[in-house]
Amino acid sequence: DAGITQSPRHKVTETGTPVTLRCHQTENHRYMYWYRQDPGHGLRLIHYSYGVKDTDKGEVSDGYSVSRSKTEDFLLTLESATSSQTSVYFCAISTSSLGPSGEQFFGPGTRLTVL
Amino acid sequence: TQLLEQSPQFLSIQEGENLTVYCNSSSVFSSLQWYRQEPGEGPVLLVTVVTGGEVKKLKRLTFQFGDARKDSSLHITAAQPGDTGLYLCAGVRIQGAQKLVFGQGTRLTINP
Repeated sequence: DAGITQSPRHKVTETGTPVTLRCHQTENHRYMYWYRQDPGHGLRLIHYSYGVKDTDKGEVSDGYSVSRSKTEDFLLTLESATSSQTSVYFCAISTSSLGPSGEQFFGPGTRLTVL
Repeated sequence: TQLLEQSPQFLSIQEGENLTVYCNSSSVFSSLQWYRQEPGEGPVLLVTVVTGGEVKKLKRLTFQFGDARKDSSLHITAAQPGDTGLYLCAGVRIQGAQKLVFGQGTRLTINP
């Protein structure tokens, strides 16, 4: 158990509203990630962080922003939610010094529905 | 286009049968990982393979990394209902961004 929690676990929102998802870890790992999972696509990286205030884009970052003001928290914001952002969102951490190429441990996920 | 292609995407077999899931790419990877995911949960790491030709065993599960490090396979012997889940391969390419990329997954159902 890597001590990762996500909140909320489920959310239904309307198109055009901002949404923030939170990922919290208890073990002060440097690397944190946000993925989305959609049928037929596996997991796709949205953004990741390699330290406080240090973030970078993944392969599907359009329409999303992130912030990391504390080691333990990594926030994902949908600035203006669209129906195409309906998905299951997973937070993950790397525990190895290899960072992004190391093994990752995932949170329980947040199911987001945009109507 | 998926960088890592898994096949089959869906597989439903009877308890006790054997099966193999494949993860293929045209790119070379420094390592490949296999995860299993159960409904309503996040993926859980099963194994990492790092050397071309490497074989790792985890009870009834055998993982192999191709000699050229472009592909991997997962073989399950005498499948059990508890093996049911979504199996994901993931890897880091030798060239390009040093980030983990995932295959689309294989949904496995083992029927009692």
